[in-house]
Amino acid sequence: DAGVIQSPRHEVTEMGQEVTLRCKPISGHNSLFWYRQTMMRGLELLIYFNNNVPIDDSGMPEDRFSAKMPNASFSTLKIQPSEPRDSAVYFCASSLAFHSGNTIYFGEGSWLTVV
Amino acid sequence: QQPVQSPQAVILREGEDAVINCSSSKALYSVHWYRQKHGEAPVFLMILLKGGEQKGHEKISASFNEKKQQSSLYLTASQLSYSGTYFCGTGESNFGNEKLTFGTGTRLTIIP
Repeated sequence: DAGVIQSPRHEVTEMGQEVTLRCKPISGHNSLFWYRQTMMRGLELLIYFNNNVPIDDSGMPEDRFSAKMPNASFSTLKIQPSEPRDSAVYFCASSLAFHSGNTIYFGEGSWLTVV
Repeated sequence: QQPVQSPQAVILREGEDAVINCSSSKALYSVHWYRQKHGEAPVFLMILLKGGEQKGHEKISASFNEKKQQSSLYLTASQLSYSGTYFCGTGESNFGNEKLTFGTGTRLTIIP
């Protein structure tokens, strides 16, 4: 089976530009998580979805960040406008019945640099 | 609230043993252990559930003290490939709509 697929793998953009990160979870998984990793803060949970419904977005830094999951096989994380402090690795992860004792599987990450 | 890991970093010679600890201030249902190598995604190692169930790699061992909300990962006879940053993730309940919160990580370096 294919793992969690993220795109783009690397993106360099100028401050103020819109950034869209994409994720395709593992087929059949019903939970999807967006994490951000930086040296200072480690792995932070931004938002997670259960059966395509956003459950907890308390980790989303501010209104510049938004996430959607229009169907079970696709999710996006958008930053508009982007700022240099948004530079980080953004990981998408998915799980099947996480609350039943299954773990989550990470994608390769999207490395974002905002200059 | 983020679980606390200790030590923050450790250096071992190949063949030596190490213990990495994870502690939470909240009651836990599950503890998940991952290893991340530089520039790569975290890779699942093991999950420990309240009640004693464990799932994971045969060569990895860990413990989960439910009363103390603590878990430890045991790395024995370390190999060079064990180098990386180890993260514990904690889940607080087995009800629906659960999430995984990660600790700050323990950087493990194995030297020949």
